Amino acid sequence: GAGVSQSPSNKVTEKGKDVELRCDPISGHTALYWYRQSLGQGLEFLIYFQGNSAPDKSGLPSDRFSAERTGGSVSTLTIQRTQQEDSAVYLCASSLRPSGNFAHTQYFGPGTRLTVL
Amino acid sequence: AQSVTQLDSQVPVFEEAPVELRCNYSSSVSVYLFWYVQYPNQGLQLLLKYLSGSTLVKGINGFEAEFNKSQTSFHLRKPSVHISDTAEYFCAVTGNTGFQKLVFGTGTRLLVSP
Repeated sequence: GAGVSQSPSNKVTEKGKDVELRCDPISGHTALYWYRQSLGQGLEFLIYFQGNSAPDKSGLPSDRFSAERTGGSVSTLTIQRTQQEDSAVYLCASSLRPSGNFAHTQYFGPGTRLTVL
Repeated sequence: AQSVTQLDSQVPVFEEAPVELRCNYSSSVSVYLFWYVQYPNQGLQLLLKYLSGSTLVKGINGFEAEFNKSQTSFHLRKPSVHISDTAEYFCAVTGNTGFQKLVFGTGTRLLVSP
């Protein structure tokens, strides 16, 4: 079946602009995660959704970052007033259930490469 | 909280040679362990996972890993590598109660040459 999809695949923006990154999880997956991959910081967790609610937002680096999920499906990560240090690959993953007790694996999308000039 | 250490940032190897990529973790609770592979300009693909049971786990593309609780290690091995195995490999850990995020190592770049 279809995997996790993300759009756009590449985004170049100017410092100070707002950007929206989209994630379509695998159909039926209730949990959705955002991670960021950058040269200096490696792979970092940003936020996790269970259905439409976000029980864990602890990885969001600042209040310029926000995310929402609608219909228990599509999620949008928004970065306001982008800065050069926001340049990274943003990865989305989904799982049938949260990791932990049921240990369902996280399946990753191809990522969105964000470049802030 | 959990952490993962991948000591080797890069591992060069010749085609058809065996390889081992090292992963050590620390955690105050029981864990689940994963290896992901990332090919250039692609997302992360699951290679294998340890949840419970047999400590020797077999994955895709001929890879296997062994969970060693006493040494807190989860090293990845392949007896004979191919050029196509050239990629970045990430070890990851999560606690096994409730939701817990994946914590990744810094990755090991496997370079296979002819």
